[in-house]
Amino acid sequence: GDSVTQMEGPVTLSEEAFLTINCTYTATGYPSLFWYVQYPGEGLQLLLKATKADDKGSNKGFEATYRKETTSFHLEKGSVQVSDSAVYFCALSPGGGATNKLIFGTGTLLAVQP
Amino acid sequence: GAGVSQSPRYKVAKRGQDVALRCDPISGHVSLFWYQQALGQGPEFLTYFQNEAQLDKSGLPSDRFFAERPEGSVSTLKIQRTQQEDSAVYLCASSLLGLATQETQYFGPGTRLLVL
Repeated sequence: GDSVTQMEGPVTLSEEAFLTINCTYTATGYPSLFWYVQYPGEGLQLLLKATKADDKGSNKGFEATYRKETTSFHLEKGSVQVSDSAVYFCALSPGGGATNKLIFGTGTLLAVQP
Repeated sequence: GAGVSQSPRYKVAKRGQDVALRCDPISGHVSLFWYQQALGQGPEFLTYFQNEAQLDKSGLPSDRFFAERPEGSVSTLKIQRTQQEDSAVYLCASSLLGLATQETQYFGPGTRLLVL
């Protein structure tokens, strides 16, 4: 079945460092891809999304490109801040069905130190 | 309301008790999803409603789990005869239409269930 694999954490970085969180997926159809973020004490919220191959999603300085050839959707940010400390979830929504459920990875904890 | 709300936020149950978890989606949202998130894991899909119709319940782990949305707005997830393995955070999400895979799902804060 469809699945998402993302790098295990925690990822610990100093402020202004470059961030990459790897995400790869397995899907039989043409999924949409998402990154959700969960800040401490808050609910899941959408960070960015891409709906077809070669699309780039971006928000708050974060970017991810939908790569069909490598089945990847890696999250990047050029310069992280302490306020970016959170758990990041990669997810896909399978195409072609009546249910637009999300299939999530296990999450990656990011800790940014001042 | 402004966002998805869930109640209670925390629930402690003794093994064997029945529990009911409530979700108030964003007003006017057609689609409603329930997910289960075990500690240290990503959320896992349980069930999906489009208005009052339960179109997908493939993720419900057993027949002890039951969900309803009788008037197409508020939804209740009921767990009968709770077991320790049911301990998790239960998340509710809604989306405006739900017919397009790229549509954003808005999540509530979750109900943390602990079964002793």
